[in-house]
Amino acid sequence: GDSVTQMEGPVTLSEEAFLTINCTYTATGYPSLFWYVQYPGEGLQLLLKATKADDKGSNKGFEATYRKETTSFHLEKGSVQVSDSAVYFCALSDRTGTALIFGKGTTLSVSS
Amino acid sequence: GAVVSQHPSRVICKSGTSVKIECRSLDFQATTMFWYRQFPKQSLMLMATSNEGSKATYEQGVEKDKFLINHASLTLSTLTVTSAHPEDSSFYICSALKGGPSTDTQYFGPGTRLTVL
Repeated sequence: GDSVTQMEGPVTLSEEAFLTINCTYTATGYPSLFWYVQYPGEGLQLLLKATKADDKGSNKGFEATYRKETTSFHLEKGSVQVSDSAVYFCALSDRTGTALIFGKGTTLSVSS
Repeated sequence: GAVVSQHPSRVICKSGTSVKIECRSLDFQATTMFWYRQFPKQSLMLMATSNEGSKATYEQGVEKDKFLINHASLTLSTLTVTSAHPEDSSFYICSALKGGPSTDTQYFGPGTRLTVL
């Protein structure tokens, strides 16, 4: 079945460092891809998404490009802030209106 | 925006009792809601899909008689954990689809931490 694999954390960075969190997926069709963020004590929030190959999702300085040839959707940010400290989940949806399949989550800790 | 609430945020109960968790979409109607379970340092695992006015669809391995789901209105779905046991202790999260089945953006509640003693 469909699945999502993302790099294990925790990822520890200094403020203003470059961030990459790897995410690869396995799917039989053409899924939509998502990054969700979970701040401490809060629910999951949609960070960005891409619905077809070569689409780039972006929000709050974060970016991810849907790469069909490598089945990847890596999350990047050029300069992280302390406030970016959270757990990041990569996810896919193989059909509209269906539940998401999540990766295990990557904890990011940014220090000043 | 789209806001989904859950109540309670935390609950502690004795083994053998039942616990009801509510999931509400506050500013939109949701014909479809999902219930997930999250174990520590693990991913979210889908338990069931809740459709307004019809029976929920459960994932393989999820006991439908133990995890009762009711989606009686377009803004409310409930999950009742019946005869709870310590192994049911977990973080339960709901989500709601805004815009109907043609959309693929889910909005998540903040989760409910269940501890069964």
